[in-house]
Order: sequence, then structure tokens, then C-alpha cells
Amino acid sequence: GQNIDQPTEMTATEGAIVQINCTYQTSGFNGLFWYQQHAGEAPTFLSYNVLDGLEEKGRFSSFLSRSKGYSYLLLKELQMKDSASYLCAVSIGGSYIPTFGRGTSLIVHP
Amino acid sequence: KAGVTQTPRYLIKTRGQQVTLSCSPISGHRSVSWYQQTPGQGLQFLFEYFSETQRNKGNFPGRFSGRQFSNSRSEMNVSTLELGDSALYLCASSFSGVNTGELFFGEGSRLTVL
Repeated sequence: GQNIDQPTEMTATEGAIVQINCTYQTSGFNGLFWYQQHAGEAPTFLSYNVLDGLEEKGRFSSFLSRSKGYSYLLLKELQMKDSASYLCAVSIGGSYIPTFGRGTSLIVHP
Repeated sequence: KAGVTQTPRYLIKTRGQQVTLSCSPISGHRSVSWYQQTPGQGLQFLFEYFSETQRNKGNFPGRFSGRQFSNSRSEMNVSTLELGDSALYLCASSFSGVNTGELFFGEGSRLTVL
């Protein structure tokens, strides 16, 4: 089976940096996604990591270590609009079915 | 281009009834996948359709079914509704499937079962 863990809630200050961790235990790992979901809205794609290392995309970066079953999403220069739920999802097996964690609710305050 | 469209956005049903939800993918996308989102379980994969064929299926009972039409529009059906089926049902489309990385989600259909 697969188990994906991420913190339930985090708070941070506008302008700061926050790191959201995601750990997973699964067989047949293909890759790891991060999605952002604002309350009442559709999830939107942030990143997809297949290989180990850091991928940077503007203010957001995502890191993956396959050997450790570990990923993090790094958000820099936080803005109020970054307050949202961040979903970690693992693609597994030959079918590549995405398995989602329960999401981390990030609250950015002034 | 137009995004993923789901209808209806909200609906209320009673136990034992059935419901059909619709999803229109982004033009040109051939894959449609469905998800159930609840506060307790998070986002859970239901199934994926690609070129009118079910390609993958999650761990949901047979009461949950779906289909895809030749224009890639998809429907999912839930029969004999239970209270626990109350959830946000999301569909996502992509050009070649859930294995390609980026999924484009619709805003969902919020189902309440009384």
C-alpha cells in the first residue's frame, strides 16, 4: 500500500519562507506532484518531480529524494494569496494512478 | 481556451437515490479522471477514462461508475447513495493521461446526501 504524510496546518508571515514537507511509503514510485488548492476552488498544478533534486519555478521550488521517500515544497517571499491547501501526490505503479495526501493548509498572516 | 467544466456545481440527494455528474474536458484532452474529496480522506482517485475506455480504477465500490463519450466528455454515476457519499467530486483532464504530470481540474460538483 501507500502512505503519504504531510502536516495538517502551517502558519507563516507575509514575506517569509515556508517549507512544506511530504513523506511517502510506497512501492512502484514514478513521481511526485504538488498542487495548490484555494478554498472553494479547483486544485492547480505546481510541480512534478521524477528525479532527485530541486526544481525551481519562480517563488516556488520542489525537492525530491527518492531514496528517503521525502519531498518538500518551498515557498519564498510569501504573499497573502499563498494562503491555500497544498496537496502532495505520488504517482505509483504501471498505471500511474495519483495518490494524494490529505493536504497542508497554509495560513499566511501580515 | 476554456477550462474543465463540471455540472452541476451543487446538488442535494437523499439516501438510495442515484446521481449523474458531468465533466467536459479541455478541448483536445483525451484523458478524464475523477476524484472524491472529503475533509477526512482528502482527494481519492475514482477512475480514469481515455479514448472512451476505462484505463484505471481506484478502490471504490461498484456503485461508482463512469463512462466517456467520443467527444471526450465524461459522466460518473453513483447509485444507491449513502450518507458517506457526500463529498466534492472533481474531474481532471489531460492530453495523454494521469502519468503525464499536469492535471487540469474542474471546480467540482458538491454532492450532499441527506
